[in-house]
Amino acid sequence: DIQLTQSPPSLSASVGDRVTITCHASHDIKNHLNWYQHKPGRVPLLLIYGASYLESGVPPRFSGRGSGTSFTFTINSLQPEDIATYYCQQSDDVPLFGGGTKVEIK
Amino acid sequence: QLHLQESGPGLVKPSETLSLTCTVSGGSISDSKTYFWAWIRQPPGQGLEWVGSLYYSTNTYYNTSLKSRVTISTDTSQSQFSLKLSSVTAADTAVYFCARGLQYDGMDVWGQGTTVTVSS
Repeated sequence: DIQLTQSPPSLSASVGDRVTITCHASHDIKNHLNWYQHKPGRVPLLLIYGASYLESGVPPRFSGRGSGTSFTFTINSLQPEDIATYYCQQSDDVPLFGGGTKVEIK
Repeated sequence: QLHLQESGPGLVKPSETLSLTCTVSGGSISDSKTYFWAWIRQPPGQGLEWVGSLYYSTNTYYNTSLKSRVTISTDTSQSQFSLKLSSVTAADTAVYFCARGLQYDGMDVWGQGTTVTVSS
């Protein structure tokens, strides 16, 4: 199985900050990498698919980039409603998730 | 608008089999060869864990760590797909989600999730 290593496990940032999360795949997964937002008690929400494509209705402050084995997810100008855990998930093989990054407001 | 809804017992005894059903409405479970249907779970205090997926109504793939205990099947006449997890332990206590995925492009529609507790 292709493994995903996501970092950091948690971060604390101020409103308006730029936040970046990285995801590293154990094998080349081309651009088959997706990002989700998961708030407690809510349903996970697909934000980014195909490494860089914004899902319909998702605010443009969310973005993703990368290919092969190295990927990044960015929130430009962190908002209070962005408090959540973010997961990468590869779709090149079976859809395993990264370990998650918990984003908090400083 | 596609809608997924999980159903099943909220409490299962250790060593027994956990059985959940996901009912798909607003679309057909077998109308496209590009979609897959998946089960994902989240144990308390932990991250999301993919359990298994069903492709083309017949091909199944399971998480290696659960493979010997998991079965996913479909009932297209009822527009449902099901999860069976045998020999459960407390470690199987989790919120279980069903979801639809598009091959290569992530899981875009999720059920609300159902909490399953394994306890005697």
